[in-house]
Amino acid sequence: SQQGEEDPQALSIQEGENATMNCSYKTSINNLQWYRQNSGRGLVHLILIRSNEREKHSGRLRVTLDTSKKSSSLLITASRAADTASYFCACTFSGGYNKLIFGAGTRLAVHP
Amino acid sequence: DGGITQSPKYLFRKEGQNVTLSCEQNLNHDAMYWYRQDPGQGLRLIYYSQIVNDFQKGDIAEGYSVSREKKESFPLTVTSAQKNPTAFYLCASSITADYEQYFGPGTRLTVT
Repeated sequence: SQQGEEDPQALSIQEGENATMNCSYKTSINNLQWYRQNSGRGLVHLILIRSNEREKHSGRLRVTLDTSKKSSSLLITASRAADTASYFCACTFSGGYNKLIFGAGTRLAVHP
Repeated sequence: DGGITQSPKYLFRKEGQNVTLSCEQNLNHDAMYWYRQDPGQGLRLIYYSQIVNDFQKGDIAEGYSVSREKKESFPLTVTSAQKNPTAFYLCASSITADYEQYFGPGTRLTVT
């Protein structure tokens, strides 16, 4: 399977701590995207990082991409209870027709 | 107020009936997508459309059909041929295929 696979499957932390989620994939990508989903809701786009980029920031979010290791990480700093959600990575792959392939997600619980 | 809407939020049908899920966007996006999400899983692509009057099968198209007669609309029909239709269905759109996707709130379909 080409899909991105997140690690860990579940993460439980206290408010104020940092949360790191990882994503691995198997073949060359065009871009990698991170999305957030609150329970029973639609997905919200967080960050898109292209294959020629190594790091991107957005507020308390930091995404890195290591194409040599075929992996990406999402760091949420100073987490809040409102960050509790599932986080998905999704990739578009080189040579494909630009469809997004989603992983199964990391369920993050931030406790007050 | 721009966005992507799906209706209804909850849908109940008897086995053997076809059902059509609505997806409308006013973001002027060319590309639109339908995904299926099962409990605790990531998203799987059912169909996508990169332009009006054109669409392609995704990974799990069997038992589903779509149309793209207008740029704003991309309805999904779940036919009686779909063996396990109970799921959460998400519609999304993007400027073009290689950009971030914007998701609707989803329709939860239950077939009994």
